[in-house]
Amino acid sequence: EPEVTQTPSHQVTQMGQEVILRCVPISNHLYFYWYRQILGQKVEFLVSFYNNEISEKSEIFDDQFSVERPDGSNFTLKIRSTKLEDSAMYFCARWDRSTDTQYFGPGTRLTVL
Amino acid sequence: QKEVEQNSGPLSVPEGAIASLNCTYSDRGSQSFFWYRQYSGKSPELIMFIYSNGDKEDGRFTAQLNKASQYVSLLIRDSQPSDSATYLCAAPTYSGGGADGLTFGKGTHLIIQP
Repeated sequence: EPEVTQTPSHQVTQMGQEVILRCVPISNHLYFYWYRQILGQKVEFLVSFYNNEISEKSEIFDDQFSVERPDGSNFTLKIRSTKLEDSAMYFCARWDRSTDTQYFGPGTRLTVL
Repeated sequence: QKEVEQNSGPLSVPEGAIASLNCTYSDRGSQSFFWYRQYSGKSPELIMFIYSNGDKEDGRFTAQLNKASQYVSLLIRDSQPSDSATYLCAAPTYSGGGADGLTFGKGTHLIIQP
């Protein structure tokens, strides 16, 4: 079963600006996730989203971050007032019920200048 | 705080040999484990998952789980140059199921030498 798609593939923004990263499911998935990976570091869990609500969130996912599924399709991660240290790859993932596993999208590279 | 530990490598293995990748975890209550492969600049790709003690085989890949020792491994038989990548070990962070947010290790960089 295919994974999700993500847009944009690369986003460049100025420090202090807001960015919205998008995840588009191929079919009607229920569980979605956002992870990030700072260059050279490990993949870190940010938040999980189930049935249009946050299910779990990590310590990284502070008030600067928010998630929503505004149109019942796209799943978005909003980062308010970006900082230099927000530069990273951001991955969306979806849960596969049949195998109880997660599949990752191609990612969005966020560069904060 | 759940921890997943991996040797970052690089691990260099001759083509055709068996590559052995190891992972330890801190939470004795962890029930499921996942191996992802990540090529440079790409997203993690799921290659194996294991829930029960013992071995699980899928093609050239074998995952091994020893819950008593809190140890997970991945064996790659007949290693190919295309297997050169970073291999990530992951475990659910909270409740223990695969729908949980995952805690990843730092990954082991594997190099298959032609």
